Amino acid sequence: DAGVIQSPRHEVTEMGQEVTLRCKPISGHDYLFWYRQTMMRGLELLIYFNNNVPIDDSGMPEDRFSAKMPNASFSTLKIQPSEPRDSAVYFCASSLALGQGNMPQHFGDGTRLSIL
Amino acid sequence: SQKIEQNSEALNIQEGKTATLTCNYTNYSPAYLQWYRQDPGRGPVFLLLIRENEKEKRKERLKVTFDTTLKQSLFHITASQPADSATYLCALDLWNTDKLIFGTGTRLQVFP
Repeated sequence: DAGVIQSPRHEVTEMGQEVTLRCKPISGHDYLFWYRQTMMRGLELLIYFNNNVPIDDSGMPEDRFSAKMPNASFSTLKIQPSEPRDSAVYFCASSLALGQGNMPQHFGDGTRLSIL
Repeated sequence: SQKIEQNSEALNIQEGKTATLTCNYTNYSPAYLQWYRQDPGRGPVFLLLIRENEKEKRKERLKVTFDTTLKQSLFHITASQPADSATYLCALDLWNTDKLIFGTGTRLQVFP
């Protein structure tokens, strides 16, 4: 089975440019999560979706960040305009719907973003 | 304030020994606690989940304990191997939320 697929794996761009990160979750998964990982702050949840609907975006750092999930098999995280402090590894994860216990999350291999 | 603490310093142990990693939390009341493994350049991979009313969970060479009084989880790898070298993350799964709160992880290095 294909896991969570993220693209691009690496992105280097100049400050002020628009950056779009892409994610294809595991087929059949109801939840999709976007995280950011840095050495200083660890793995931070930015936003998550349930059945394509954004549920909690309280982790989105500011209005420069936006995320969409137009259908069950695709999501984007956009940064516009980008700043050097946005440099990090961005992960997408998906999971099945919650039952009697929370379900494990399945992560992609991330996008390493460098803003110069 | 709410905190999840994992030992930020790397844990170095010899092959064959038992590795024990600690996850402490304050001002959270998790329903579940999950452990993940992360290799360099890769995303975290789920290992084990333990519920708040479970004391211990085992899976092959892995064992997790969960003490809600001490607000602590211990993660053990018995008969450790160099292939176990990675960063291990704990994550709290809180009541009435769909999201996980991750610790910063502990890097484990198993040397021959």
